[in-house]
Amino acid sequence: KQEVTQIPAALSVPEGENLVLNCSFTDSAIYNLQWFRQDPGKGLTSLLLIQSSQREQTSGRLNASLDKSSGRSTLYIAASQPGDSATYLCAVTTGSARQLTFGSGTQLTVLP
Amino acid sequence: DAGVIQSPRHEVTEMGQEVTLRCKPISGHDYLFWYRQTMMRGLELLIYFNNNVPIDDSGMPEDRFSAKMPNASFSTLKIQPSEPRDSAVYFCASRLAGSASHEQFFGPGTRLTVL
Repeated sequence: KQEVTQIPAALSVPEGENLVLNCSFTDSAIYNLQWFRQDPGKGLTSLLLIQSSQREQTSGRLNASLDKSSGRSTLYIAASQPGDSATYLCAVTTGSARQLTFGSGTQLTVLP
Repeated sequence: DAGVIQSPRHEVTEMGQEVTLRCKPISGHDYLFWYRQTMMRGLELLIYFNNNVPIDDSGMPEDRFSAKMPNASFSTLKIQPSEPRDSAVYFCASRLAGSASHEQFFGPGTRLTVL
């Protein structure tokens, strides 16, 4: 059974810092890996999707990497801003239905 | 396309009442997923459908939960009778089987509170 772990569970940083969020998964037979953002009381916003054949994806100040063989992904946020404060969820796509298995998330607070 | 549509957005009910959550997937998508998000367990898959047929309901917590998909554009998740521990956010997602990206698209969720 696929398990996804995210470390740290919570992170607080001053504005302007670069930061890294970590995600690991137990079964490397994935189709893709996604990073989502969730604001309090809100839905899921897809940030980046990395296909299993890819090593990284970039969008603005965000960069996500994938090392499928070791079962790891990182989300790098450059020059963090208070508006980046949210919970970041990592999820992998596996199985015949391409269902998602989620990590428990990292709650990020960027202090002004 | 309007994306995945869920209704209601918020539902408050009393223990023992029947609750029905609704989902309209993106037109043309042939997979539909129901997820539940709680503080204790995070986001977990409850059930999914392929071409309106339930394929795997192993994530449904109890027999009080049931889901249907009478046609390609509509699905329901029903809880009868509801209990306070069912309080959670319920998400619906859909995807296209032939999509190279395998990406699922999520609805805004229904926040359920059972008193």
